[in-house]
Amino acid sequence: SQQGEEDPQALSIQEGENATMNCSYKTSINNLQWYRQNSGRGLVHLILIRSNEREKHSGRLRVTLDTSKKSSSLLITASRAADTASYFCATGYNQGGKLIFGQGTELSVKP
Amino acid sequence: EPEVTQTPSHQVTQMGQEVILRCVPISNHLYFYWYRQILGQKVEFLVSFYNNEISEKSEIFDDQFSVERPDGSNFTLKIRSTKLEDSAMYFCASSPLGGGGTDTQYFGPGTRLTVL
Repeated sequence: SQQGEEDPQALSIQEGENATMNCSYKTSINNLQWYRQNSGRGLVHLILIRSNEREKHSGRLRVTLDTSKKSSSLLITASRAADTASYFCATGYNQGGKLIFGQGTELSVKP
Repeated sequence: EPEVTQTPSHQVTQMGQEVILRCVPISNHLYFYWYRQILGQKVEFLVSFYNNEISEKSEIFDDQFSVERPDGSNFTLKIRSTKLEDSAMYFCASSPLGGGGTDTQYFGPGTRLTVL
């Protein structure tokens, strides 16, 4: 399998707290993308980080990539109830190629 | 902002019937994909399509499946003889890669296929 696991599988926090989700993979990648999925809905692209990048920011999102450990993390700062969703990492291995998705982390943000 | 659209949003069919799922990728994108997500499971890659031909397919994408870009805008997934285990959410995605575009894959809202 090219993809490892995401952890935690589920995370419950209070509004205003930070949420950190981790993703691991097994083979060298070209890029890693994070997506959000609200229950039963489509996948919303959040951020893409390339294998030669270590950190990217987008609004309240911060993504890090450690290629030596084959892992990535997604940090959502100052979480809101609207952030409640499942979050997936997906790894890309070549330009234009398929994405391999992890199992996802189910985030619940309580008001 | 341009979006990937998919129709229908929900398709119910009898086992053994043929279904066609339709997608309109974002207009200047060059790579097209189909993925599926069985309820409660992770998203799985089915097939990628570039320059009017399949560029990669997974083990799931057997002879029962086919894809087509019949005109300049639509991208379809056909399942010839549906099985109960084909019940899933099917997502279409497109990527602008090429001409300086990025690898980001933009997903449509999905078609929920229920096979009875």
